[in-house]
Amino acid sequence: DTGVSQDPRHKITKRGQNVTFRCDPISEHNRLYWYRQTLGQGPEFLTYFQNEAQLEKSRLLSDRFSAERPKGSFSTLEIQRTEQGDSAMYLCASSLRKTNEKLFFGSGTQLSVL
Amino acid sequence: GQQLNQSPQSMFIQEGEDVSMNCTSSSIFNTWLWYKQDPGEGPVLLIALYKAGELTSNGRLTAQFGITRKDSFLNISASIPSDVGIYFCAGQLIQGAGSYQLTFGKGTKLSVIP
Repeated sequence: DTGVSQDPRHKITKRGQNVTFRCDPISEHNRLYWYRQTLGQGPEFLTYFQNEAQLEKSRLLSDRFSAERPKGSFSTLEIQRTEQGDSAMYLCASSLRKTNEKLFFGSGTQLSVL
Repeated sequence: GQQLNQSPQSMFIQEGEDVSMNCTSSSIFNTWLWYKQDPGEGPVLLIALYKAGELTSNGRLTAQFGITRKDSFLNISASIPSDVGIYFCAGQLIQGAGSYQLTFGKGTKLSVIP
């Protein structure tokens, strides 16, 4: 069990560029979540998958955001036409379905939009 | 939407002292959780609570699920330097078609003076 892995750890981009983040969950976990965290705040829910199905999306997830989990394993989060307000830590977490409240978080991807 | 209020926002304590922090909500939750986050890392689950009035311990940590289901408390006994970090409460209310998202507080930043 290597835990939840996120790549990259840090991303600096210019406003208007597209960025993509990857998350590899704990292998036996069928649920995968994306959260966003800004400085001084707790994590905020963005979306979650059960296997390959995206079952819930937050109102925070604007049209510029898209998440996929094509084979029910790893997931990607893409942000198109980045804005300075997108600067945040993007956290991925995974869980078993039966213990869905027990999230195991990755170390996050810190995005800075210049 | 649901909001969690954590207090205090930050605290400085001497090594060996006991610590208390709490979390209140305007809404009820079915599950309360406490996470700890170290700098540059994702949150790590400390304790999960499932029933109103429940008192659960994990080593030097003790947490309680308030009887109104709108609050929770975390106590740390005999603090040590590695207790430094940000402590988040989180609530989960599974409702309707099944919203599994966690709502997090803004955190309590704990500093331990050796």
